[in-house]
Amino acid sequence: NAGVTQTPKFRILKIGQSMTLQCAQDMNHNYMYWYRQDPGMGLKLIYYSVGAGITDKGEVPNGYNVSRSTTEDFPLRLELAAPSQTSVYFCASSYLLSEQYFGPGTRLTVT
Amino acid sequence: AQTVTQSQPEMSVQEAETVTLSCTYDTSESDYYLFWYKQPPSRQMILVIRQEAYKQQNATENRFSVNFQKAAKSFSLKISDSQLGDAAMYFCAYRGPGTASKLTFGTGTRLQVTL
Repeated sequence: NAGVTQTPKFRILKIGQSMTLQCAQDMNHNYMYWYRQDPGMGLKLIYYSVGAGITDKGEVPNGYNVSRSTTEDFPLRLELAAPSQTSVYFCASSYLLSEQYFGPGTRLTVT
Repeated sequence: AQTVTQSQPEMSVQEAETVTLSCTYDTSESDYYLFWYKQPPSRQMILVIRQEAYKQQNATENRFSVNFQKAAKSFSLKISDSQLGDAAMYFCAYRGPGTASKLTFGTGTRLQVTL
């Protein structure tokens, strides 16, 4: 099993550009999550999904969108990138109420 | 809303010694889960240990153990026989009851291990 994979590992965006961060898991987990980690801080939840076709907002959803068309994939879309979105983004998954498994993260810089 | 507080931004321990990282949390729930995650320089989040609130017995995983004080809402991590590979950021996290399994994280403690 590859676990949770994220692409790209690094990305630099210009202000106003858009991009999609990809996340996939091969563990047949029904729950998936997107977090952001700002320097010196813990992770904050952006969006989460409890199954295909179902998504909901977390603590910091503004400026982001998600979709969940399959169990495996949970992409995060940034529209009109802003410097405040410079962060490290983590995707995670879990099976029901078990512990979450994290991907390796994507470091995003918006300049 | 639940909050998780880690009041020690940095800690240092000598190799082979024991160190305790502190965590407090605020919740009105009686059934919940607590976790400690390790984040080495590679950035990968690694689960160290978990504790179910309904269990009175403190969780242990090899050199890692917790001191769970439910009434005080305290959840500290003890690392025994510290090793160089233990150097990392450590995050305390809370998960409340319900189906979404969302985690609330503290701000982390950076642990240095010296020779």
